[in-house]
Amino acid sequence: GPKVLQIPSHQIIDMGQMVTLNCDPVSNHLYFYWYKQILGQQMEFLVNFYNGKVMEKSKLFKDQFSVERPDGSYFTLKIQPTALEDSAVYFCASSLGVPGNTLYFGEGSRLIVV
Amino acid sequence: GNSVTQMQGQVTLSEEEFLFINCTYSTTGYPTLFWYVQYPGEGPQLLLKVTTANNKGSSRGFEATYDKGTTSFHLQKASVQESDSAVYYCVLGDRSGSFNKLTFGAGTRLAVCP
Repeated sequence: GPKVLQIPSHQIIDMGQMVTLNCDPVSNHLYFYWYKQILGQQMEFLVNFYNGKVMEKSKLFKDQFSVERPDGSYFTLKIQPTALEDSAVYFCASSLGVPGNTLYFGEGSRLIVV
Repeated sequence: GNSVTQMQGQVTLSEEEFLFINCTYSTTGYPTLFWYVQYPGEGPQLLLKVTTANNKGSSRGFEATYDKGTTSFHLQKASVQESDSAVYYCVLGDRSGSFNKLTFGAGTRLAVCP
């Protein structure tokens, strides 16, 4: 089936530093998402992105977070500066179209902030 | 707002036993209901999806009926296999909004013993 690729799969970073998580969505998809999953807990919505803009974001999407997809390349989540509570697995997803469409998830990027 | 309740955090079965995972939802919008499955080290992947009330979705022996009257979307399988061991998420998509924002349940970890 359609594949969403995420780079890196794991990253350990010092608190206060910047991190960029990269996502290569399914090629013809138009909507992109980030979800956060703290170990052993449920998936939580962070943000969705369409046509170069953030369309919706949750309370978890702090001011230190930003997303972009410059020139159709990777869809990125940047955290600057990182905090200990940002340690989690971040899942990227993409979908073709409107509400009710299936989201395809990547395998996640495990971020550990020390 | 939207919410999904999965009361069972863990289910342990032997092969060929019957599986039932409880899921109820709450929304004021127009739901699409999904079951996603997450295998260790992977992202969630779609198991099945139902858009129309009182319809049943099925895939790989799993089935779930979108029951509008009881606001439920329970997952069943007649005979589980060891390879079904994974975390199962009941997920609500709200088509009344402009964009996809899935609401995940807490997840049910299924362990199938040979």
